[in-house]
Amino acid sequence: QLQLHESGPGLVKPSETLSLTCTVSGGSISSDNYYWDWIRQPPGKGLEWIGTIYYSGTTYYNPSLQSRVTISVDTSKNQFSLKLRSVTASDTAVYYCARHGGRMSTSGVDYWGQGTLVTVSS
Amino acid sequence: SYELTQPLSVSVALGQTARITCGGNNIGTKNVHWYQQKPGQAPVLVIYRDSNRPSGIPERFSGSNSGNTATLTISRAQAGDEADYYCQVWDSSTVVFGGGTRLTVL
Repeated sequence: QLQLHESGPGLVKPSETLSLTCTVSGGSISSDNYYWDWIRQPPGKGLEWIGTIYYSGTTYYNPSLQSRVTISVDTSKNQFSLKLRSVTASDTAVYYCARHGGRMSTSGVDYWGQGTLVTVSS
Repeated sequence: SYELTQPLSVSVALGQTARITCGGNNIGTKNVHWYQQKPGQAPVLVIYRDSNRPSGIPERFSGSNSGNTATLTISRAQAGDEADYYCQVWDSSTVVFGGGTRLTVL
């Protein structure tokens, strides 16, 4: 059974960089046709896609966040990571890592991590 | 950018049929996926590619997509179906979520 687990600081100061890592277990991050997502959800609000990476390093980003976001992959550790720069209070959210169950154009997100709350506050 | 419009809330009587819509320009030409999210939990995929159910999802959940509207239908609604539901598509190399619909089972 595939499992994803987010890790990283739960509190980040304004203007600093939010860094999270997702560890994938029960399957290989290098499997063909699977894509790996970061999705967030501010308290009491809806889902917002941050970006996606393929094991080869190909990335897709939300245009509204693209200037501040970097997603990377480490296949040797079966992990992928998120960096969000210059954070503000509006970046406070539960951050999920997740997997697309196939091609981005045809597949939904079939596995999700439990989510981790990141609060931006001084 | 592409937008998906969902009603904020839908109510359904216990045992009746609930329909949650997701509106978008020519959404019928796209693959629509639906997620259920209960409080404090991660979302769960309940319908993919318009009308397909992942393993473990009850047959009571079904989907359709045509024209400018996709619909998630929940038959014989149960108390356990009370949750937030989100539609999602892929457009112009981006993942787009609808704003979400709160389903209340009365």
